[in-house]
Amino acid sequence: QQPVQSPQAVILREGEDAVINCSSSKALYSVHWYRQKHGEAPVFLMILLKGGEQKGHDKISASFNEKKQQSSLYLTASQLSYSGTYFCGTEIGGSNYKLTFGKGTLLTVNP
Amino acid sequence: NAGVTQTPKFRILKIGQSMTLQCTQDMNHNYMYWYRQDPGMGLKLIYYSVGAGITDKGEVPNGYNVSRSTTEDFPLRLELAAPSQTSVYFCASSYQAEQYFGPGTRLTVT
Repeated sequence: QQPVQSPQAVILREGEDAVINCSSSKALYSVHWYRQKHGEAPVFLMILLKGGEQKGHDKISASFNEKKQQSSLYLTASQLSYSGTYFCGTEIGGSNYKLTFGKGTLLTVNP
Repeated sequence: NAGVTQTPKFRILKIGQSMTLQCTQDMNHNYMYWYRQDPGMGLKLIYYSVGAGITDKGEVPNGYNVSRSTTEDFPLRLELAAPSQTSVYFCASSYQAEQYFGPGTRLTVT
């Protein structure tokens, strides 16, 4: 089943923070985050494995709560380059990295 | 390294026609994937492969076929194209978790 992302869209001013959530109705092995700019291919940001691990990538970090089957992506001090659609992809254990993607969250960062 | 390449970039098909979308990667990745992306719907997995000679269905395989005779190539075949297959198609490959996507093929069926 497709994970649910929230919010669907968010508009920020440069320097503001945002949180994007991803929740699943199934027990997860891992959560993957991708960013896609308009007209381009998705680009990998990070993967979180079960264990409540938190990761960071520049000023973008994420957490994974396996008990709640939820992951959150944190964008701190947003930059114009952060604009795009963010997708979470969820993996059930032993599925050979077969991901089910959410519908995406459109993030717009304005000057 | 070219990464993942896809051809064609754009294609218009008439209903009932067939075509093959080509995908090639030069990173020696074992895992390869085909997705379709419809507006506001995210990426849906059509087929995937864990190595040459091994393929399996994803979420939305109906109307499509794949083959994987080499590590590098993973073509997607559309038989009897239907308007519902109008979409952007992405091929991806991975060594482990991180998937590298090709630039996509925009297909319109009319």
